[in-house]
Amino acid sequence: EAVLTQSPGTLSLSPGERATLSCRASQRSSSNSLAWYQQKPGQAPRLLIYGVSSRATGIPDRFSGSGSGTDFTLTISRLEPEDFAVYYCQQYGSSHTFGQGTKLEIK
Amino acid sequence: EVQLVESGGGLVQPGGSRRLSCSASGFTFSHYEMNWVRQAPGKGLEWVSYISSSGGTKYYADSVRGRFTISRDNAKNSLYLQMNSLRVEDTAVYYCARESGWDDFEDWGQGTLVTVSP
Repeated sequence: EAVLTQSPGTLSLSPGERATLSCRASQRSSSNSLAWYQQKPGQAPRLLIYGVSSRATGIPDRFSGSGSGTDFTLTISRLEPEDFAVYYCQQYGSSHTFGQGTKLEIK
Repeated sequence: EVQLVESGGGLVQPGGSRRLSCSASGFTFSHYEMNWVRQAPGKGLEWVSYISSSGGTKYYADSVRGRFTISRDNAKNSLYLQMNSLRVEDTAVYYCARESGWDDFEDWGQGTLVTVSP
C-alpha cells in the first residue's frame, strides 16, 4: 500500500501569490487516480482535482493539478482569501490512501 | 443535487457498538460505489471502508477489519457502518462519500461524530 507524503506541512502566503503543493507517493499506482481535496474548518472535504489534472465541477481554473509516476503537484495560480484551507491528496492503489495534508495559511 | 446525510453518531463506551447510517438523494444510489472516511479530531483523513454498487464487494482498512461492517440497502438509498468493539482511537467524524469512476470521492456528507470514551 502506497504512502502519500505531502509537503510542505504548512505554507504561508499572501492573497494574489502562487501556491505550489506537493504530493509524493512511495510507489507508482497502477491507475491514474490522484485527487486533491480542500477542507475548511468544520466542513467536509471538497473534491478539487481528479485523475491528476481534471478539475471537478465548479472548481475555478486557478486550481490546476499535474504530475505523473510518484510526484504530483497542486497549483493555485493566484490565491483568493477563500483558498486558505487544508489540502489533501488521495490515491487509489490496493486501497484508498490520503496524504497527511498541507495547511495553507495567510501570511 | 446530490445529498448525503449521515446519522447515528454519539458517545459510546470502549468495547461498545454503534451503527451509522447515510441517507442518499439526488442520484441513482444503486449505480455508485460508496465509502466511509473518518477524521479524528485535529487529524487528517483516513479511509475506512468501501462497498460496491451491488453490495457484493467490500473492503476495509486494516485498523477496522474484523470490527466494522459496511452494508447498503439500495431500495432505501442508504449506506451503513456497523461498528463493534469500539476503541478510544475510533473517535472521529465519520463521513460517507460517493466514489466516482476515477477512484476519488466526488461527494461527501457533512459527517457524524463518534466519541468513544469511558
